Amino acid sequence: AQKITQTQPGMFVQEKEAVTLDCTYDTSDQSYGLFWYKQPSSGEMIFLIYQGSYDEQNATEGRYSLNFQKARKSANLVISASQLGDSAMYFCAMREGNTGGFKTIFGAGTRLFVKA
Amino acid sequence: DAGITQSPRHKVTETGTPVTLRCHQTENHRYMYWYRQDPGHGLRLIHYSYGVKDTDKGEVSDGYSVSRSKTEDFLLTLESATSSQTSVYFCAISLQGGDEKLFFGSGTQLSVL
Repeated sequence: AQKITQTQPGMFVQEKEAVTLDCTYDTSDQSYGLFWYKQPSSGEMIFLIYQGSYDEQNATEGRYSLNFQKARKSANLVISASQLGDSAMYFCAMREGNTGGFKTIFGAGTRLFVKA
Repeated sequence: DAGITQSPRHKVTETGTPVTLRCHQTENHRYMYWYRQDPGHGLRLIHYSYGVKDTDKGEVSDGYSVSRSKTEDFLLTLESATSSQTSVYFCAISLQGGDEKLFFGSGTQLSVL
């Protein structure tokens, strides 16, 4: 069964430093998509970055990059130059293959604390 | 802004009562989803829809039903609410094609006493 695992319940990082949030996934599909979402304390869910299973280059969006290692089934999020506003909950997610509905499943999340 | 509205935003109800949550979208997107968020579990998919009257179960569908009689509305019903259904419920939509990222509503905080 498809599964997303985030092993870090909480992480601390110093402002302006880089941080890596871990995500591993399990799927038997050849075609899938990997996502990261941010949830600040206000509660809204914000899309950060996407990686398709056939994309050879790691995805980047500003200070966010996704370290995609397909053979290891990992999709770690790297945040460079952390800011205080990056303190939030971060969820890794996977869209299953081309089945009806494009279901997306989520990991349990990692809470990131950025220290001044 | 994907034009997603959830109602109500907050609800307190008693065990055994029926509850319906509504998700309304203004963009005619095909795919709609209901998730619940609980500490330590992230977001878990309850039900989803891939068109009018086309729905399917997610990871945690027991105790929930859904209906989608028109494109813009996706209803989640708890037939007989239990305390274990106390949660934050999120509706989401995804666009056809593209990278299928999800756009979320603001969430509904449901407390079952």
